[in-house]
Amino acid sequence: GAVVSQHPSRVICKSGTSVKIECRSLDFQATTMFWYRQFPKQSLMLMATSNEGSKATYEQGVEKDKFLINHASLTLSTLTVTSAHPEDSSFYICSISGGEAYQPQHFGDGTRLSIL
Amino acid sequence: GQNIDQPTEMTATEGAIVQINCTYQTSGFNGLFWYQQHAGEAPTFLSYNVLDGLEEKGRFSSFLSRSKGYSYLLLKELQMKDSASYLCAVIDSNYQLIWGAGTKLIIKP
Repeated sequence: GAVVSQHPSRVICKSGTSVKIECRSLDFQATTMFWYRQFPKQSLMLMATSNEGSKATYEQGVEKDKFLINHASLTLSTLTVTSAHPEDSSFYICSISGGEAYQPQHFGDGTRLSIL
Repeated sequence: GQNIDQPTEMTATEGAIVQINCTYQTSGFNGLFWYQQHAGEAPTFLSYNVLDGLEEKGRFSSFLSRSKGYSYLLLKELQMKDSASYLCAVIDSNYQLIWGAGTKLIIKP
């Protein structure tokens, strides 16, 4: 069964809207979750590493004030895209670490965000 | 800098065999993953290699040569459902996962 639950699967909204995406770990207590973004025909790009009970670690070039991450519990991390614009339209995917380096990440089903 | 190279796109015939190559230059190495990603979906795990050699798992096999910074994914008895992107990802010395851009595999009848 699914290890990670991500909602919503698809969002279409107007420019300027803030959008919240939830990522839930179903079977693990996930102290660390990852947020990725993927533009069409491009690779996964790590946006940030979400740490339970502390601030997220953002990758270079990712605006932390625009992409707000909250990881308040061991099973839930949220990504809020604030004041979204058409260039923020993308496929956003969360994942949780398998625990050890040799264990694969478990991915959510992704969220297709379309900003009109 | 860190770099992972894969062919952008490959085409193969149903029932045939295809090999997808991946070369990497990273700061250290702690393992290599292959993932399958169908269009509009999240990646799914296929294999993990950390030692040199071939790992076989059903129709899929993955090979690693650490000295050459090289891996390949071998898909046998291709089926139409194998049409997808295949992502190579390397764990570097800081245990960061570095992703390749993926290889789009097109299967023709």
